[in-house]
Amino acid sequence: EVQLVESGGAVVRPGGSLRLSCAASGFTFEDYSIHWVRQVPGKGLEWVSIINWDGSDINYADFVQGRFTISRDNSRNSLFLQMNSLTAEDTALYYCAKEHDSGWYLDSWGQGTLVTVSS
Amino acid sequence: EIVLTQSPATLSLSPGEGATLSCRASQSIGTYLAWYQQKAGQAPRVLIYDASNRVTGIPARFSASGSGTDFTLTISALEPEDFAVYFCQQRSNWPRYSFGQGTRLEIK
Repeated sequence: EVQLVESGGAVVRPGGSLRLSCAASGFTFEDYSIHWVRQVPGKGLEWVSIINWDGSDINYADFVQGRFTISRDNSRNSLFLQMNSLTAEDTALYYCAKEHDSGWYLDSWGQGTLVTVSS
Repeated sequence: EIVLTQSPATLSLSPGEGATLSCRASQSIGTYLAWYQQKAGQAPRVLIYDASNRVTGIPARFSASGSGTDFTLTISALEPEDFAVYFCQQRSNWPRYSFGQGTRLEIK
């Protein structure tokens, strides 16, 4: 069974930093592109970033503006999101999600980790 | 940036009725559209990919169509478990993705 488990969410002050993790199991992690998607509770989904299977191809949503860094460690079946210069607008539930093996859509999601940026 | 606009924002229907949800793209995205269902307190679940292909295990009452800029998700004969929020997603301007703002399907 595919499992994605996010962790690292916390309350952080504006301007602060946080590192999110996503632990994967139940599939061959190194074969898949993985995404981060966020959601303000009660609001819509917002795509954040994608990293391909070996980390050689990475992209971010425009709002990231150089503040976030996605990375992965295939030896540990883990995905990361380093977030710097956080603002209140970054407050959200952050999901990691796996792409389907024969397509681009997101076929498995974690349960999310909550990031709250507040003074 | 491709913007996806979903309508209506909220749809109030009764079990057994049919539902039609719309997703419109600000520019042509071919058939690079997926639909997701999200229930309260849960992560999203993909229903449809490439505009009209139902994911394995999704009930046949879910169908979808469209190409270019206009897309539709249809749910025939609503079941109680279908009341949720539905999002569309595009990847036409890969590797940039985006989601619509969602349609809340609520029990009337």
